[in-house]
Amino acid sequence: ETGVTQSPTHLIKTRGQQVTLRCSSQSGHNTVSWYQQALGQGPQFIFQYYREEENGRGNFPPRFSGLQFPNYSSELNVNALELDDSALYLCASSSPGQGKSPLHFGNGTRLTVT
Amino acid sequence: GQQLNQSPQSMFIQEGEDVSMNCTSSSIFNTWLWYKQDPGEGPVLLIALYKAGELTSNGRLTAQFGITRKDSFLNISASIPSDVGIYFCAGQRQTGANNLFFGTGTRLTVIP
Repeated sequence: ETGVTQSPTHLIKTRGQQVTLRCSSQSGHNTVSWYQQALGQGPQFIFQYYREEENGRGNFPPRFSGLQFPNYSSELNVNALELDDSALYLCASSSPGQGKSPLHFGNGTRLTVT
Repeated sequence: GQQLNQSPQSMFIQEGEDVSMNCTSSSIFNTWLWYKQDPGEGPVLLIALYKAGELTSNGRLTAQFGITRKDSFLNISASIPSDVGIYFCAGQRQTGANNLFFGTGTRLTVIP
């Protein structure tokens, strides 16, 4: 069983730039969600994708957007990067239709905005 | 966003000792989860709890879903060096929904 994989592992961007992070869900999982984890904090929910549509969103501005593809992989896009966007971005997958299906996380992408 | 209150913030214990940490919320959750996170890695699921009052074990780990549905605790028995890491509780309002609310974390250090 293949776990959640994310790329790249590390990324450095400049304020105002745009970034795309990628995630492959765990085998058999059809739902993907993204979390932002600032240093020393717990992860915060950004949004969730199911059947290629966003179906849940946390308290993040519209410059955070995403996509889900037919193979259930996903992208997180962040426009107009700000210094406070520096964080570990975690992708997690699950399959809620199969009953109890807790989230399984990838190892994240460490984004640094300078 | 809402964060759960987790305590203690950090713990230093001797190898072999038992550990207890807990998590409280002002809101009711239908699912409680406990994760461990090592440096440079994502959170790894330890235990999932789905019913108020439920007590579940996973090896040396035991967790309980509080009766009020507003709290949970995690115990680790006979700690070993590889237990070092940050432990997070997470609450889920709707079982299967992916918007978890995470605690602030408990950093565990085990002294050999």
